[in-house]
Amino acid sequence: GQSLEQPSEVTAVEGAIVQINCTYQTSGFYGLSWYQQHDGGAPTFLSYNALDGLEETGRFSSFLSRSDSYGYLLLQELQMKDSASYFCAVKEDSSYKLIFGSGTRLLVRP
Amino acid sequence: GAVVSQHPSRVICKSGTSVKIECRSLDFQATTMFWYRQFPKQSLMLMATSNEGSKATYEQGVEKDKFLINHASLTLSTLTVTSAHPEDSSFYICSAVAGAGDTQYFGPGTRLTVL
Repeated sequence: GQSLEQPSEVTAVEGAIVQINCTYQTSGFYGLSWYQQHDGGAPTFLSYNALDGLEETGRFSSFLSRSDSYGYLLLQELQMKDSASYFCAVKEDSSYKLIFGSGTRLLVRP
Repeated sequence: GAVVSQHPSRVICKSGTSVKIECRSLDFQATTMFWYRQFPKQSLMLMATSNEGSKATYEQGVEKDKFLINHASLTLSTLTVTSAHPEDSSFYICSAVAGAGDTQYFGPGTRLTVL
């Protein structure tokens, strides 16, 4: 079956660095995406990794290891506005369909 | 770019009535759109894939006669919840794929409350 595992909650201090892990088990794999969602809002795209390695976009970086079926989202210089839910999502095949993980609620404290 | 809108943002209806939700891609054409539902503090569950000019593809367990999807143009998909019941109350979100990329852009969501 399909499964994407993420920690349910993470708490960190403003200015710190936090890593949100995602392990997946799917029938196919084309790439791993990360989305941010604030309460009551729409998910917004953060990153997409199709190949192994680290992709950096400003304060956010995303890593993928296909051999380990594992990826993570790294948030640096945390700000209060980063408090949100973060979802990893797998693209299983050549269609645009995504399978979403259960989400990680990040709480940034002063 | 890549803006997706949904209308309405909130709707409250009586049990047994039907509700239509619109999803529009404002600045791009989307041959494929997706409909999700999300319960509080839970993940996004894919309901169906909406393809312009053809029938929608529903995920297992989603009743196609209850959740009618129409993708009439390259910029508009609609979801109609027929004979809504309180258990249909949820946050419904659409997304659209822009061009040949792998990114889904999400609408702001519609919160449906069925009394």
